[in-house]
Amino acid sequence: DTAVSQTPKYLVTQMGNDKSIKCEQNLGHDTMYWYKQDSKKFLKIMFSYNNKELIINETVPNRFSPKSPDKAHLNLHINSLELGDSAVYFCASSQGRQRTQETQYFGPGTRLLVL
Amino acid sequence: AQTVTQSQPEMSVQEAETVTLSCTYDTSESDYYLFWYKQPPSRQMILVIRQEAYKQQNATENRFSVNFQKAAKSFSLKISDSQLGDAAMYFCAYRSGIIQGAQKLVFGQGTRLTINP
Repeated sequence: DTAVSQTPKYLVTQMGNDKSIKCEQNLGHDTMYWYKQDSKKFLKIMFSYNNKELIINETVPNRFSPKSPDKAHLNLHINSLELGDSAVYFCASSQGRQRTQETQYFGPGTRLLVL
Repeated sequence: AQTVTQSQPEMSVQEAETVTLSCTYDTSESDYYLFWYKQPPSRQMILVIRQEAYKQQNATENRFSVNFQKAAKSFSLKISDSQLGDAAMYFCAYRSGIIQGAQKLVFGQGTRLTINP
């Protein structure tokens, strides 16, 4: 069984469109994250939710809006897509915020290509 | 803000040999965690090993071990008996130990490891 899953795995779309990426984890974790990996492979945090509460919101254009309907799901909606949004988006989860629960487990990534 | 630096963009090693990947970090915190993740061509991010800063003993996981030098803020990864399946991008990452603070991972730039048969 996949621990952290993302859909879709690949997304090709035109500039200006709106798209969503979905993430689900079946690990029973309380905290979920979105990371962006750019064309140079650099990974950077975008958002983090703990039990449906937004706790990290890095400097990200407001065209990006995360939503967590429950603690097992974290979706990312992107409005008015731009060429620079092309990247791999990773979802991750960790058990909680206590000392022993710090390891983050990653999904397979969603490769987004904006044409 | 914390930063993580991997100064080796690429490394190569002969199969069965040992290779060490370097990582340095900058932080003013005393409580934190360090990780090495592996990203093979499949793109999946796989946890290789982790180290708690408050533990002096270096972490080991089978053929993978770290050399954690807290004073020098250095966290290198040693891979022994390299195998073809070890070929991947390796990322060093830092996470604050402050429970109420941001839990984000701060990543280095990555090191691409090639294994020569």
